[in-house]
Amino acid sequence: QVQLQESGPGLVKPSQTLSLTCTVSGGSISSGGHYWSWIRQHPGKGLEWLGHISYSGSTHYNPSLKGRVTILVDTSKNQFTLKLSSVTAADTAVYYCARDLYYDPLRRWFDPWGQGTLVTVSS
Amino acid sequence: QSVLTQPPSVSEAPRQRVTISCSGSSSNIGNNAVNWYQQLPGKAPKLLIYYDDLLPSGVSDRFSGSKSGTSASLAISGLQSEDEADFYCAAWDDSLNGWVFGGGTKLTVL
Repeated sequence: QVQLQESGPGLVKPSQTLSLTCTVSGGSISSGGHYWSWIRQHPGKGLEWLGHISYSGSTHYNPSLKGRVTILVDTSKNQFTLKLSSVTAADTAVYYCARDLYYDPLRRWFDPWGQGTLVTVSS
Repeated sequence: QSVLTQPPSVSEAPRQRVTISCSGSSSNIGNNAVNWYQQLPGKAPKLLIYYDDLLPSGVSDRFSGSKSGTSASLAISGLQSEDEADFYCAAWDDSLNGWVFGGGTKLTVL
């Protein structure tokens, strides 16, 4: 079955760009017409959707992040990447990638999720 | 402040039934399906209920979902200690053109 694994630096300096990659195994990122999402969870807090991308590169982003988010896809490597610019301590969180299953506008959900990776923003 | 509203915590005794509410608006729950996720301590969230009331393969039928108008509910019957977790509702929001989550509900089995 499809599995997702996040990778990237666990420590990022303030004002720099956070970059994480999600590697998809057990299936092709290009199949099914689904989306691929990034979601984060601040320590002890709830879930926040950051954005998603389709295999063809179509994206939607959370407007609350004010243009700091970019998500890219590399179908040859079966990966998608999150870039979050101008980070501050408020971006310290566990970052999850997830398959954003999409069958039609009503039938859509996240499954599966990666295990998550903690990113700390600190000098 | 989350777009979808859930109670921060619920608690109930073993073998009893508990419900968790999720309140939204016409742009999210009122017009789109609701999904529920269970997050066990220290783990990633896992799909629990999808398309308002459907159970993924392998999920116990002690869990059930329902929706009416702009609100949804998750019910858990026959509570067990291993059900202790955080539960999140989520729905697509047509106004934001993105996913929104509830703030999460922590379930304690007394």
